[in-house]
Amino acid sequence: AIQMTQSPSSLSASVGDRVTITCRASQGIRNDLGWYQQKPGKAPKLLIYAASSLQSGVPSRFSGSGSGTDFTLTISSLQPEDFATYYCLQDYNYPPRFGQGTKVEIK
Amino acid sequence: EVQLVESGGGLVKPGGSLRLSCAASGFTFSSYSMNWVRQAPGKGLEWVSSISSSSSYIYYADSVKGRFTISRDNAKNSLYLQMNSLRAEDTAVYYCARDWSDWGQGTLVTVSS
Repeated sequence: AIQMTQSPSSLSASVGDRVTITCRASQGIRNDLGWYQQKPGKAPKLLIYAASSLQSGVPSRFSGSGSGTDFTLTISSLQPEDFATYYCLQDYNYPPRFGQGTKVEIK
Repeated sequence: EVQLVESGGGLVKPGGSLRLSCAASGFTFSSYSMNWVRQAPGKGLEWVSSISSSSSYIYYADSVKGRFTISRDNAKNSLYLQMNSLRAEDTAVYYCARDWSDWGQGTLVTVSS
């Protein structure tokens, strides 16, 4: 099974900061990767699909990049509503696997 | 608007059974694969099971294989997860998801004596 290594597990940042979260797959997954945001007590929300495509309705400050084994989620200017936990998901093959999550906290 | 509403969660003793349902609306249910994902309290997301649009392809995580059964009724726009031989480690919020884009609000399953 493909393993997804997400880093960092947590980070502290200020409003307006640029934030970068990475996911590394244990083998190539083309661009079959999504990024999710989850707030406490809520369902995950899809932000990015196919590694770099912005889901409809998601603010343009979110962007994704990468292909193969290394992927990045970038928030260009962190907003108060962006404090949450972020997960990557590989859907290249079964079993689909989520990264361990990155909790973005207020500095 | 896509809507997915899970139900059927609750408190069950170890070894017991539960059947989760996911009622879908706002899209052509029969055209989409569906997934169950769970999240144990304070933990990350774990894929549980997937079913293709016509039920031709079904997949399970090793942790639930042989105990859980996924099914769907396209006429009723509904997805199901039959969970048998439940264990304490199955305690989690269970989400249904359309492909990987839209998710329900989740239903809590607690396995405890």
